[in-house]
Amino acid sequence: EAGVVQSPRYKIIEKKQPVAFWCNPISGHNTLYWYLQNLGQGPELLIRYENEEAVDDSQLPKDRFSAERLKGVDSTLKIQPAELGDSAVYLCASSKDTSRNTGELFFGEGSRLTVL
Amino acid sequence: RKEVEQDPGPFNVPEGATVAFNCTYSNSASQSFFWYRQDCRKEPKLLMSVYSSGNEDGRFTAQLNRASQYISLLIRDSKLSDSATYLCVVLAGGSYIPTFGRGTSLIVHP
Repeated sequence: EAGVVQSPRYKIIEKKQPVAFWCNPISGHNTLYWYLQNLGQGPELLIRYENEEAVDDSQLPKDRFSAERLKGVDSTLKIQPAELGDSAVYLCASSKDTSRNTGELFFGEGSRLTVL
Repeated sequence: RKEVEQDPGPFNVPEGATVAFNCTYSNSASQSFFWYRQDCRKEPKLLMSVYSSGNEDGRFTAQLNRASQYISLLIRDSKLSDSATYLCVVLAGGSYIPTFGRGTSLIVHP
């Protein structure tokens, strides 16, 4: 079974430029998460989807961040414009359970963003 | 106060040692608890769930103390390959949002 796939693995951009990350979850997983992880910190939730619906996005900085999950499968996370403080690893995860997440999260390898 | 707190360490122990980590959580309505392992520059992976009655998986034992709102992870007979960051994860009741601690770094040396 294929795992969660993310791209790109690495991205270096100058500040004020846009950037987009893509995630393909495990087949059949209805719940998809985007987390941000800074060095030495744990992952912090940005947004959670149940199928196409964003059910938790209170931590997403909506002035510059946007996300979508068309058809309830793949998802993209966009930053426009990027700031120096956005440098981090962006992790996508998926899980089987929807309304009651008592299951395991499966993470992709992450997209490491460096903003210069 | 953060929802999930962990001592970042590092815990530096020799092979064969027993080491324990604690994780405290602030939301008394938290329902489910997990330990994840994250190797350097890799993604987190589930190590074990934490049940109310405690559970053991080989050299690893996880326990939950609801009264004091903490969970623990005990590693016996540490191996070099146990070197990693151990992340505590708590699911709050109602929202079921998986909230991660900052992780505890373990370094096992020869």
